[in-house]
Amino acid sequence: ELKVEQNPLFLSMQEGKNYTIYCNYSTTSDRLYWYRQDPGKSLESLFVLLSNGAVKQEGRLMASLDTKARLSTLHITAAVHDLSATYFCAVETLKHTGANSKLTFGKGITLSVRP
Amino acid sequence: DGGITQSPKYLFRKEGQNVTLSCEQNLNHDAMYWYRQDPGQGLRLIYYSQIVNDFQKGDIAEGYSVSREKKESFPLTVTSAQKNPTAFYLCASTATSGRGNEQFFGPGTRLTVL
Repeated sequence: ELKVEQNPLFLSMQEGKNYTIYCNYSTTSDRLYWYRQDPGKSLESLFVLLSNGAVKQEGRLMASLDTKARLSTLHITAAVHDLSATYFCAVETLKHTGANSKLTFGKGITLSVRP
Repeated sequence: DGGITQSPKYLFRKEGQNVTLSCEQNLNHDAMYWYRQDPGQGLRLIYYSQIVNDFQKGDIAEGYSVSREKKESFPLTVTSAQKNPTAFYLCASTATSGRGNEQFFGPGTRLTVL
């Protein structure tokens, strides 16, 4: 059974500083997705990582994937209040190529940026 | 505008009643998914469907049922057999593309059992 772990589960960040959060998973997969959720809202797609060594950047966020270590990192540069939200990673499992694909989500990391 | 709609946004149910949550998409996506989210938790997969008239159980299917009679629609019924149905329910859809099987989510339905 695939397990997806995120840590820490809560992170208080100071504005302007850099931080890294982690997503570990337990079985082989080379597809990982990051989502953002604001309180009371749905999930918004942030990054799609489809191969070992994939790196994607959007604004102050940069995500990377190391499939050999079964690890994805989300790096935050110079945190700002707008980044306060819960961030989920999700790992894709495929029984057959293109079929029966499903995502297993971590519990999420809640980020809070303070002045 | 293309997207996923869920209705209602809020739903209150008495114990012992079945309720059906609606999910519609006009993205022409083949696959659709239902998730449940509890406070402070991640998403757990209830049911998913890759094609019309076919669906598979997810990790927590007990007490739920679905149908997929049309490509655009994937309603979820929460039955009285579901012991603890109060939760936030999210529907998603995906189409295999250059972005893998990236899932797009609807706005959610918050179900409360009174």
